[in-house]
Amino acid sequence: QVQLVESGGGVVQPGRSLRLSCAASGFNFSDYAMHWVRQAPGKGLEWVALISHDGSTEYYADSVKGRFTISRDNSKNTTYLQMNGLRSEDTAVHYCARVRDSSYWYLPHFDLWGQGTLVTVSS
Amino acid sequence: EIVMTQSPATLSVSPGERATLSCRASQSVSSNLAWYQQKPGQAPRLLIYSASTRATGIPARFSGSGSGTEFTLTITSLQSEDFAVYYCQQYNNWPPITFGQGTRLEI
Repeated sequence: QVQLVESGGGVVQPGRSLRLSCAASGFNFSDYAMHWVRQAPGKGLEWVALISHDGSTEYYADSVKGRFTISRDNSKNTTYLQMNGLRSEDTAVHYCARVRDSSYWYLPHFDLWGQGTLVTVSS
Repeated sequence: EIVMTQSPATLSVSPGERATLSCRASQSVSSNLAWYQQKPGQAPRLLIYSASTRATGIPARFSGSGSGTEFTLTITSLQSEDFAVYYCQQYNNWPPITFGQGTRLEI
């Protein structure tokens, strides 16, 4: 079954860290660039980060640059989002998403999403 | 950063009717635009990419059009399961990838 399953969310105090995981199955994970997209409660979608299929390239939204790090382990079919220095504005459901076409990673739109994991930053 | 603006914020229609949703980009995104549907508690679902190509398994009542800065998602003969929030997303000039703020389609 082709799917993405996120984990690692929870309640964390401002300034603390959290690592999210996204486990992929049912497709050749190492062929695909992967992204994280988040959604604050009752709000729209915000792109967070990208990692290329081989992990050699990363991009970040300005709102998380310097605080978040995306990575992947192709041997485990998993991508990660290390979140440091968390702020209240990081409270959101965080989704991992797969680009639709592995050959066109530079035209990123997403045909496979996980169910999301909620991160709540609160004292 | 390319800003995506969707209108209207909320659209009220009846089952069986036609809905037209708009998305405008602050600068040209060519045809590198996608539409997503999101229902409460669910992840977004890809409907349209390349402005007008339906994604796998998407019914023919969903269609997309436009290029450059003006785009439209049209849903004909609305079904009850179509009532949701719809987002457009540009992927022509990134990072950052940017989404519109969404249009809520309600009965």
